[in-house]
Amino acid sequence: NAGVTQTPKFQVLKTGQSMTLQCAQDMNHEYMSWYRQDPGMGLRLIHYSVGAGITDQGEVPNGYNVSRSTTEDFPLRLLSAAPSQTSVYFCASSYEGIGYEKLFFGSGTQLSVL
Amino acid sequence: SQQGEEDPQALSIQEGENATMNCSYKTSINNLQWYRQNSGRGLVHLILIRSNEREKHSGRLRVTLDTSKKSSSLLITASRAADTASYFCATDTSYSGAGSYQLTFGKGTKLSVIP
Repeated sequence: NAGVTQTPKFQVLKTGQSMTLQCAQDMNHEYMSWYRQDPGMGLRLIHYSVGAGITDQGEVPNGYNVSRSTTEDFPLRLLSAAPSQTSVYFCASSYEGIGYEKLFFGSGTQLSVL
Repeated sequence: SQQGEEDPQALSIQEGENATMNCSYKTSINNLQWYRQNSGRGLVHLILIRSNEREKHSGRLRVTLDTSKKSSSLLITASRAADTASYFCATDTSYSGAGSYQLTFGKGTKLSVIP
């Protein structure tokens, strides 16, 4: 099993550009989520999904869109990139997400917005 | 807002010593988890302790939970250079809708183990 795969690993954008961060898991996990990690801030939840067709907002959803058309994939879209979105982004998944479940993390995408 | 807060922010010890990190949180939880992050990598789950448990062990790791004080501690015994990493506590907090939950992470403790 590959686990949770994120692409790309690095990305540089100009202000105003849009892009999609990809996340795929091959563990048949229902729950998937996106976090951003900033220095001194820990990890903050952006969006999450408890199954195909179901998404919900986390702590810092503004400027990001998600969709969940399949169990395996959970892409994160930046609509109009801003320097404040410079961060490391992590995708994570778990089997059910209904308490008592650990998260499996991808290796991250380092995004710089100039 | 941050639910969990780790203390200390940074810890430096000699190889072979024990390392203790603490986590305090604000609201009632269903469970508390600890994760490790090596530099430039994703987080790796270490241990989960449920709200009705007081102590849990996994290899060289010992986790305690005091729900009356809303705090947890992670003890790493006989530390090794390979334990050098950041350690995060995460609390299970429900946000919206039945059957969904969020894990809220603290800012982490950066542990350096000197050979």
